[in-house]
Amino acid sequence: NAGVTQTPKFQVLKTGQSMTLQCAQDMNHNSMYWYRQDPGMGLRLIYYSASEGTTDKGEVPNGYNVSRLNKREFSLRLESAAPSQTSVYFCASKRTGELFFGEGSRLTVL
Amino acid sequence: QQQVKQSPQSLIVQKGGISIINCAYENTAFDYFPWYQQFPGKGPALLIAIRPDVSEKKEGRFTISFNKSAKQFSLHIMDSQPGDSATYFCAASGSSGGSNYKLTFGKGTLLTVNP
Repeated sequence: NAGVTQTPKFQVLKTGQSMTLQCAQDMNHNSMYWYRQDPGMGLRLIYYSASEGTTDKGEVPNGYNVSRLNKREFSLRLESAAPSQTSVYFCASKRTGELFFGEGSRLTVL
Repeated sequence: QQQVKQSPQSLIVQKGGISIINCAYENTAFDYFPWYQQFPGKGPALLIAIRPDVSEKKEGRFTISFNKSAKQFSLHIMDSQPGDSATYFCAASGSSGGSNYKLTFGKGTLLTVNP
């Protein structure tokens, strides 16, 4: 069982560059989420998608866009990366209250 | 505004000891309180969860104690083992069964269990 798969696992960007983090789940879950994890800050919700075709802002959406491409895939885009977006990004999907997380994408913005 | 406050930030316990992590919440609409465990280089994974209709839930060596009037809940790890060394996050949510489900996480506790 693959569960939640994130790509890439590591990425280094220069300030102003753009990139997309990909996430796919094979558990047929309706809801998907993007969180960022920073030291001492816990996990903060960036965007979520309650179902295919819908997306909503979370706690820290500024500087990000998302696309729910289909039921399986939920991507996170940084249009113009900033050093403050250096973080570990986690995608998750939900089944009846339980979140299933991917292994994370570590992004460094120089 | 931090809706879920977690303490301590870090905790060192000897093997066989009891680890206790505390959380407090502000939003009285929260009705679901899970704990997640995260090992280095991995994503968080659900460890145990409780709803406010009970005051305690136990699964093996892990117990959640819940105090609705104080808006506090805690994780107790009995007979702590080196393999329990990880970061623990408490979380809270309202409408856990609905499509608008969002988890709010505490800042995490790094637990180290010394052999």
